[in-house]
Amino acid sequence: GAGVSQSPSNKVTEKGKDVELRCDPISGHTALYWYRQRLGQGLEFLIYFQGNSAPDKSGLPSDRFSAERTGESVSTLTIQRTQQEDSAVYLCASSFLTANTEAFFGQGTRLTVV
Amino acid sequence: AQSVAQPEDQVNVAEGNPLTVKCTYSVSGNPYLFWYVQYPNRGLQFLLKYITGDNLVKGSYGFEAEFNKSQTSFHLKKPSALVSDSALYFCAVRDSGVNQFYFGTGTSLTVIP
Repeated sequence: GAGVSQSPSNKVTEKGKDVELRCDPISGHTALYWYRQRLGQGLEFLIYFQGNSAPDKSGLPSDRFSAERTGESVSTLTIQRTQQEDSAVYLCASSFLTANTEAFFGQGTRLTVV
Repeated sequence: AQSVAQPEDQVNVAEGNPLTVKCTYSVSGNPYLFWYVQYPNRGLQFLLKYITGDNLVKGSYGFEAEFNKSQTSFHLKKPSALVSDSALYFCAVRDSGVNQFYFGTGTSLTVIP
């Protein structure tokens, strides 16, 4: 596609339920990133993929969070047993591996845990 | 370690006045520097980047940024602010040896009519 696509755009879930957030990167972009942004705050790094591998998972807040990427394309971020503090916008970005290239962001998934 | 600092959480400027949003960085290798803008309820949009060459970089919407190696800074500027420039601005650095992006904490710009 022309840009990074994230789905759903909005998700309301009950505390304790599992959620899956999807990211479709720009075709050909080997690098893929997930960030979390709480209301009015900056970006919190979650995980980085290079191809289908995740060399940096250091930002995942707890073992309730996991992510995978397949076919060097679609990525899914899964949050198990959601808590209210998980409420945030989850942003996905993709880029070429070349360091002088910019990342392109999706519109984000707004997750609300009630 | 790579890092980016945006020392101002909030910048207010009158419409028509010049604006500056500050950014300093720390990186071990060659710095690749980026500015992004985020409008309410939107993702981040790329504005401009510094790779090499001319220290003054021009980007989208009339924005420009000045790279200063000795001060390790990459301040975003615009000669004449518009109300529509009001948004959240993020500076980022990408190390040539690591494919990770390091973002600053963001600066909220308000342009007052």
